[in-house]
Amino acid sequence: QVQLVQSGAEVKKPGASVKVSCKASGYTFTTYVIHWVRQAPGQSLEWMGWINAGDGNPKYSQKFQGRVSITRDTSANTAYMELSSLTSEDTAVYYCARSLPYGDIDYWGQGTLVTVSS
Amino acid sequence: QSVLTQPPSVSAAPGQKVTVSCSGSSSNIGNNYVSWYQQLPGTAPKLLIYENNKRPSGIPDRFSGSKSGTSATLGITGLQTGDEADYYCGTWDSSLSAVVFGGGTKLTVL
Repeated sequence: QVQLVQSGAEVKKPGASVKVSCKASGYTFTTYVIHWVRQAPGQSLEWMGWINAGDGNPKYSQKFQGRVSITRDTSANTAYMELSSLTSEDTAVYYCARSLPYGDIDYWGQGTLVTVSS
Repeated sequence: QSVLTQPPSVSAAPGQKVTVSCSGSSSNIGNNYVSWYQQLPGTAPKLLIYENNKRPSGIPDRFSGSKSGTSATLGITGLQTGDEADYYCGTWDSSLSAVVFGGGTKLTVL
């Protein structure tokens, strides 16, 4: 069965960076895109970007361009999302999710809570 | 402020039917597929409807989706207390070159 398993919760200080991982199993990793979506407390879902796991080509939301980096390691079937210059407004649950290229997201990871606090 | 507009909340009694609307524009809903997600408290979103009106395996036919022009609708019949959750619509926005979501609708089963 398809599974996306994310790394554990993180606590970071303002100005720091965070890197979250997402290990995929149960399907051919390189056929799909991995998205990163975040959800601040009590808020809606916010798309950050994706990576084509096949060719490694990322696409970022304009809001996060320059501050986010999404990469993947095909040998480990794992995608990564690194967000830099953290502020308290980046406190959120970060989800990875998969879809076919330009398709609907069908599976989600369990989420990783990132707390930014001094 | 979300690109797609949903009502903040809807409610209905057990066994009844409810609909959740999702309004957008020609750059998103009007020319792209819409999907719907259910998020139970404290859990990750779960796909309910894809490509406007298709149900993944395991999703009961109590859940349905439709699209007309720049709006989409999620329908839930035979409401159960276990349906209490937040529901989100999502689609691709060709102008923003981004995936966009609605603000979410909280369903209360009275």
